[in-house]
Amino acid sequence: RKEVEQDPGPFNVPEGATVAFNCTYSNSASQSFFWYRQDCRKEPKLLMSVYSSGNEDGRFTAQLNRASQYISLLIRDSKLSDSATYLCVVDLAGNNRLAFGKGNQVVVIP
Amino acid sequence: NAGVTQTPKFRVLKTGQSMTLLCAQDMNHEYMYWYRQDPGMGLRLIHYSVGEGTTAKGEVPDGYNVSRLKKQNFLLGLESAAPSQTSVYFCASKGDSPLHFGNGTRLTVT
Repeated sequence: RKEVEQDPGPFNVPEGATVAFNCTYSNSASQSFFWYRQDCRKEPKLLMSVYSSGNEDGRFTAQLNRASQYISLLIRDSKLSDSATYLCVVDLAGNNRLAFGKGNQVVVIP
Repeated sequence: NAGVTQTPKFRVLKTGQSMTLLCAQDMNHEYMYWYRQDPGMGLRLIHYSVGEGTTAKGEVPDGYNVSRLKKQNFLLGLESAAPSQTSVYFCASKGDSPLHFGNGTRLTVT
């Protein structure tokens, strides 16, 4: 089983709609979780950290489910500018060795 | 604030040539990483460092060497470039905060 798994998509989303996707991780000792956004041919940038209680930043909501070992990202009221690849990042066993999923590609359609 | 700076941004090498990629960070971060990103493969860890003078192998270390003689710099070397090393290379650094990435180096080996 891969350390971090994501369904690459693409997720074609009508503008204004809601899209959600999950990321599963294999190491139950993982402590820190993040969502990064990557635009085509650019470096990944931090979107949000994922906390145990879940957290929200504007139209973006992140959740952590330790029992089932996955994190999720939900985007509400999708904008054209949300089109990007969303990378799941997991700090394996809290040792600062970070593993990346392959990313969920989101395409927001007018 | 410069953050994480990678040089060069682009490079074309012939098979067998050598080169060094430089990563510099001005955030006093302990941890530094080199990743490569290929289509359909996601970000894969090449080597990383948990502090000045230390280095460790990541997921795909073969064909690369690294050095961290100064805390702010992390060098990635290719001793004898191969076409399979054509990729986009990202450097990242981390303190207590999540990863910060450089802008990337696009390397083509012909």
